[in-house]
Amino acid sequence: RKEVEQDPGPFNVPEGATVAFNCTYSNSASQSFFWYRQDCRKEPKLLMSVYSSGNEDGRFTAQLNRASQYISLLIRDSKLSDSATYLCVVKPQENSGYALNFGKGTSLLVTP
Amino acid sequence: DAGVIQSPRHEVTEMGQEVTLRCKPISGHDYLFWYRQTMMRGLELLIYFNNNVPIDDSGMPEDRFSAKMPNASFSTLKIQPSEPRDSAVYFCASSPRTGPYEQYFGPGTRLTVT
Repeated sequence: RKEVEQDPGPFNVPEGATVAFNCTYSNSASQSFFWYRQDCRKEPKLLMSVYSSGNEDGRFTAQLNRASQYISLLIRDSKLSDSATYLCVVKPQENSGYALNFGKGTSLLVTP
Repeated sequence: DAGVIQSPRHEVTEMGQEVTLRCKPISGHDYLFWYRQTMMRGLELLIYFNNNVPIDDSGMPEDRFSAKMPNASFSTLKIQPSEPRDSAVYFCASSPRTGPYEQYFGPGTRLTVT
C-alpha cells in the first residue's frame, strides 16, 4: 500500500467553480503535511503547508483530519491558471529526518 | 536570486553508459535533495544531504547510483552503468535550515536511456 494516495483525476472544472481534492496517508505517526503544485513538464513548487486547525491562503483552503488520516485542498473561484497537478506531501514521522513522501498527484484542468 | 540550477536539462544515452547529473543549490541553503519522477512511481526521494553530508540514502535504487556533494554549491548524481529503467526526470531541490520542508526544486533533468 502506497503511503500517500491521491485520486489521479483529471478533474475538469469550469472557471469559477469550487473544486476539492482529498489525499489519504497510511502512517498514523505522520507529523507534517503539505500541498505542492506541479505545472506540466515543470518542477514542483510548495503551495501551502497544512496545519492541524486548517488554514487558508486566498482562494485555497487546506484541512487535516488525523482521525481519518486524510488531507484536503479546496480551491474556490477556480482560475485557468490553477490548471496543474497537485501533489499531497507527508513527512512520515518526527524522527524521520527531512525525507518527504509525495503522492502521485491529482490533475486539475480548469476550462473557460 | 538564481534558483536551483541543474544540468543537463535533457540527456539521451545508451544502455551501459555512465550518466552524471549536476546540481547547484540555492546559495545559503543547508539541505540538498535528489528525487526521481516517473509516471508509474511518482516522485521518489533518492538521497539528501545536510551541510554536504549524506543523511539518508535509503531511496537510492541500487549500487549503480551514487551521489556526492563535494561543497555547498555543487552536487552530482551518477548512474553507472545506466539501464532503460532509469529513464525518468531527476530533480534536485534545496531548502534552508529554517524551513527544510519548503523545498525549492530545480527544473529537472529528463534522462532517456535507450
